[in-house]
Amino acid sequence: DAGITQSPRYKITETGRQVTLMCHQTWSHSYMFWYRQDLGHGLRLIYYSAAADITDKGEVPDGYVVSRSKTENFPLTLESATRSQTSVYFCASYSRGVNTGELFFGEGSRLTVL
Amino acid sequence: AQTVTQSQPEMSVQEAETVTLSCTYDTSESNYYLFWYKQPPSRQMILVIRQEAYKQQNATENRFSVNFQKAAKSFSLKISDSQLGDTAMYFCAFMKQTGANNLFFGTGTRLTVIP
Repeated sequence: DAGITQSPRYKITETGRQVTLMCHQTWSHSYMFWYRQDLGHGLRLIYYSAAADITDKGEVPDGYVVSRSKTENFPLTLESATRSQTSVYFCASYSRGVNTGELFFGEGSRLTVL
Repeated sequence: AQTVTQSQPEMSVQEAETVTLSCTYDTSESNYYLFWYKQPPSRQMILVIRQEAYKQQNATENRFSVNFQKAAKSFSLKISDSQLGDTAMYFCAFMKQTGANNLFFGTGTRLTVIP
C-alpha cells in the first residue's frame, strides 16, 4: 500500500541497548523527518533529510543517529538508549510542489526504555 | 527561530456547540504556512486545515475555519457544530516557505467534546 509506515509500532528496551526505528515511504518524497512527541512539548524535530545521503540535525538530536541511503527509507537509531528517550516517535515526509506545505505522518512508534 | 504557542492545554465543549482554539507564533519570515493538526487517540496526525500567509482570506474546511491575523501573529481554529469525533489533541504548526520546510509545533490543546 502507498503511504508512510513505521516499525515497530511498540518497543520496550533496556537502558544501554541499541534500538532502530524504521520508516518507509512509497511516494518518493525528497524530505523526511523524525519527531518525538512528549507531554508538554508537542512534537520536536530530531533529524531531517532533504534527499538520499543528506541529513541534518533538528532541535533535539543528541543520542540519535540517522542515515538515508535510499530515498524511501529513513531509519532512526538510538545507539545507547536512555530513559529520557522514552517517547512516541513520528516519521514524516514531504515533497515540495505537491500538496504545498503538508507533511505526511506515519502512525508513530511508542518506545519505552526501562 | 520560530516558536508556536498554544496557551490552552485543555478545553471542553458541548456537542453541537462552537469552540475556538488559540495559537500565536513568532517569526521574522514573511512567507510561511500555518496548520492545524488533529491527533485522536489512535495517535495518527491528521491535517485539519492549512493557511498560506500570503492569502488574506481565512481558510475553511467544512466545520473548521481559522482566524488568521498576520500582523498579530495569531492563528485560531474555530470548530462549529462540535461532534464527538472531534475529541482529540490539536496542534498548531508553522512552516517556513523556504529552507528545510520543517514543521514547528505548539504544545497542543486537548479538546473534549461532551455529549
